[in-house]
Amino acid sequence: DSGVTQTPKHLITATGQRVTLRCSPRSGDLSVYWYQQSLDQGLQFLIHYYNGEERAKGNILERFSAQQFPDLHSELNLSSLELGDSALYFCASSVAGRSNTEAFFGQGTRLTVV
Amino acid sequence: DAKTTQPNSMESNEEEPVHLPCNHSTISGTDYIHWYRQLPSQGPEYVIHGLTSNVNNRMASLAIAEDRKSSTLILHRATLRDAAVYYCIPLGRTPLVFGKGTRLSVIA
Repeated sequence: DSGVTQTPKHLITATGQRVTLRCSPRSGDLSVYWYQQSLDQGLQFLIHYYNGEERAKGNILERFSAQQFPDLHSELNLSSLELGDSALYFCASSVAGRSNTEAFFGQGTRLTVV
Repeated sequence: DAKTTQPNSMESNEEEPVHLPCNHSTISGTDYIHWYRQLPSQGPEYVIHGLTSNVNNRMASLAIAEDRKSSTLILHRATLRDAAVYYCIPLGRTPLVFGKGTRLSVIA
């Protein structure tokens, strides 16, 4: 158990809908990262938050948004869903966004868009 | 970000040592070398990281070349549970950027 909790574990929704994925980081971790993993793309970095502030953006679509709340949990909002958004979405946390600290990943949310 | 080159796949017998190589010739002097692995249907898992010196922990050892252009992850006795995709990631500033990694198969 990494200590990072993601809910829900599975989500099935229709095209055009909007969903929210939730991540609770390890106790004490200030950094939260979101990744998308689809079969043909591998693990793609989406966005990084540190202590409530956005720190870095990767290949995140404009239809996607995220935030980190004062209690440090984070939510990833996906809207106007398309079939191609079907993927595993992982959240990771670390103590700080530094290169000499390890990141801990949750078990992921499997999103299926039908 | 430094580019990495890893074999697409490797195979090992159970209880044998495994050496997983990684080339990162464009690494900068302050990049740490991180290794993560991803077991089937799970999130990535931290394995080990280092800067210049070789590192050991309960999971593995990391051997870093003197010029830091390559590194080797060493699993001392592979078990079936070690079958996973292993990612070598030079990290200067977060976030982690994952390449394709090496898929390790362990044969009983």
